[in-house]
Amino acid sequence: AQKVTQAQTEISVVEKEDVTLDCVYETRDTTYYLFWYKQPPSGELVFLIRRNSFDEQNEISGRYSWNFQKSTSSFNFTITASQVVDSAVYFCALSGGSSNTGKLIFGQGTTLQVKP
Amino acid sequence: NAGVTQTPKFQVLKTGQSMTLQCAQDMNHEYMSWYRQDPGMGLRLIHYSVGAGITDQGEVPNGYNVSRSTTEDFPLRLLSAAPSQTSVYFCASSYSRAAYEAFFGQGTRLTVV
Repeated sequence: AQKVTQAQTEISVVEKEDVTLDCVYETRDTTYYLFWYKQPPSGELVFLIRRNSFDEQNEISGRYSWNFQKSTSSFNFTITASQVVDSAVYFCALSGGSSNTGKLIFGQGTTLQVKP
Repeated sequence: NAGVTQTPKFQVLKTGQSMTLQCAQDMNHEYMSWYRQDPGMGLRLIHYSVGAGITDQGEVPNGYNVSRSTTEDFPLRLLSAAPSQTSVYFCASSYSRAAYEAFFGQGTRLTVV
């Protein structure tokens, strides 16, 4: 069975602090895909990044960076120098599997509050 | 390019009423799905479709029906609304089954009283 765990329910930081959101996944498949989505207070879901299971390179996009480690089944997300606009719910998700139906398995989400 | 369009955005139903949540995408995506979002539980898959005429159940299908007569449309029907179906519903589509990101509609906030 596939599972995604985001153990941090809520995180509160002060602006300009760095913050890391944890994501741990479980799957028996060798081919799978990991995603991060952002849900701002307005409610829509915004795609941030996709990573496949064969690419363990870390990725940086501006203030955002992602650390994918297969050895620990983790795909953590770091925001450097956080800003108030980063306040949102962040979801980690997993896709793939032998049936390859494209189903997304979501974690419970982490609510990030960035205070000015 | 509208992307994924969901209607309505808000709905209040009485217990036992039925309704259909509409979802349409204009990206010619094969894969479409419905999720519900509840506090502390993330998004859970209700039903999904890998192409016109093909649908299957997700994690929480009870009380919901779907059909996929065209590539563009994937409506979700609540047969007899129950308070437990109070939730935010999201429709999503993606180009292929697993490799590409899903595009989400704006969501429908449904309250069943």
